[in-house]
Amino acid sequence: RKEVEQDPGPFNVPEGATVAFNCTYSNSASQSFFWYRQDCRKEPKLLMSVYSSGNEDGRFTAQLNRASQYISLLIRDSKLSDSATYLCVVIQVNRGRAQKLVFGQGTRLTINP
Amino acid sequence: DAGVIQSPRHEVTEMGQEVTLRCKPISGHNSLFWYRQTMMRGLELLIYFNNNVPIDDSGMPEDRFSAKMPNASFSTLKIQPSEPRDSAVYFCASREWGGGETQYFGPGTRLLVL
Repeated sequence: RKEVEQDPGPFNVPEGATVAFNCTYSNSASQSFFWYRQDCRKEPKLLMSVYSSGNEDGRFTAQLNRASQYISLLIRDSKLSDSATYLCVVIQVNRGRAQKLVFGQGTRLTINP
Repeated sequence: DAGVIQSPRHEVTEMGQEVTLRCKPISGHNSLFWYRQTMMRGLELLIYFNNNVPIDDSGMPEDRFSAKMPNASFSTLKIQPSEPRDSAVYFCASREWGGGETQYFGPGTRLLVL
């Protein structure tokens, strides 16, 4: 089983729609969680952190369920510029050593006009 | 700030040749990460350094891969000898230790081994 699993998509949705991505992680000791965004042929960039209480940044809402080891990202009123691959990222601590980021495979989203 | 700088941006080489990828982290950042991205395997951490010291190299695929960080502003990832299955995009990222967990990625090096 992969450490971080995402539905690879692709998701094709019309502009203005609401879309949700899910992500599960296998290591219950995982500490921190993020969503990164990667545009075609570009580097990944941090979109937002994910907190247990849930957090919102404009049209984007992230949720974490530690009991189910589940992370979600909701995009409301989607824009054409939201088209990208969204990467779920989990930070793990290995045997007490420093942290490392583990990336999911990414979910590809295309917003259609 | 110029961000993380990687060179070359593109590299095409023949199987068996040595390949050296270079990275300059953001000034003041003291953690540096090398990743490899392929369609099949996604983004994989190869190795990372804190204060120029390799901390975790468990992601380095095999002995053909080696990484160095001789000083705080420069790192290399070397593949010798290269093989076609090494074809991928190689990203370098840096982070300010103790300054949060955000990593800043360079533009990547697209490597094609023929």
